[in-house]
Amino acid sequence: DARVTQTPRHKVTEMGQEVTMRCQPILGHNTVFWYRQTMMQGLELLAYFRNRAPLDDSGMPKDRFSAEMPDATLATLKIQPSEPRDSAVYFCASGPTLRVPTNTGELFFGEGSRLTVL
Amino acid sequence: AQTVTQSQPEMSVQEAETVTLSCTYDTSESDYYLFWYKQPPSRQMILVIRQEAYKQQNATENRFSVNFQKAAKSFSLKISDSQLGDAAMYFCAYRSAWRQGGSEKLVFGKGTKLTVNP
Repeated sequence: DARVTQTPRHKVTEMGQEVTMRCQPILGHNTVFWYRQTMMQGLELLAYFRNRAPLDDSGMPKDRFSAEMPDATLATLKIQPSEPRDSAVYFCASGPTLRVPTNTGELFFGEGSRLTVL
Repeated sequence: AQTVTQSQPEMSVQEAETVTLSCTYDTSESDYYLFWYKQPPSRQMILVIRQEAYKQQNATENRFSVNFQKAAKSFSLKISDSQLGDAAMYFCAYRSAWRQGGSEKLVFGKGTKLTVNP
């Protein structure tokens, strides 16, 4: 059963530490998205990729966050240094590009990584 | 930019009864997708139902149906014969269709927390 895999599921760290979250998109999906979920802001887009190229990272704090796709099977989201306000659930989602007319439009989500920064 | 509004932060329903969750959106595009995602306490994002804007017929999936009013930019979700397992956060979401070009991101509303009372 194809699914998006995220690691870690839970992470507790101290302020100032580096945090790396990983995502394995569904095989064959060429768009990958990172969302952050908080009680106050809801679900916000941080970054997204098409064919491993970053297309939109306007929602991401550039000074401390970075997102990459080293290859088609791995997307990473890094926070350095982490701060308490980064505490949230981070979701990765993947899907076929909308540029394919037969696309149903659906995005498939991982189970999320819950980050707590003390 | 597109926006999605869910005006009901919380709703409750008795088991076996029917409940309707509201969603409105703002867009200047003519072709797009609309979705309802369910997020139970496990925090997994699960697709409930999708609607393509160019299709006038309202989508249905078993006990779930939508009332899509394109001119009014309204997309409500009706849950019939509510079950305890329906208790969750429900998110309405918008995504541009491939013909529009532009961003492929999913834009979410703030969510409605649904409680099902036995």
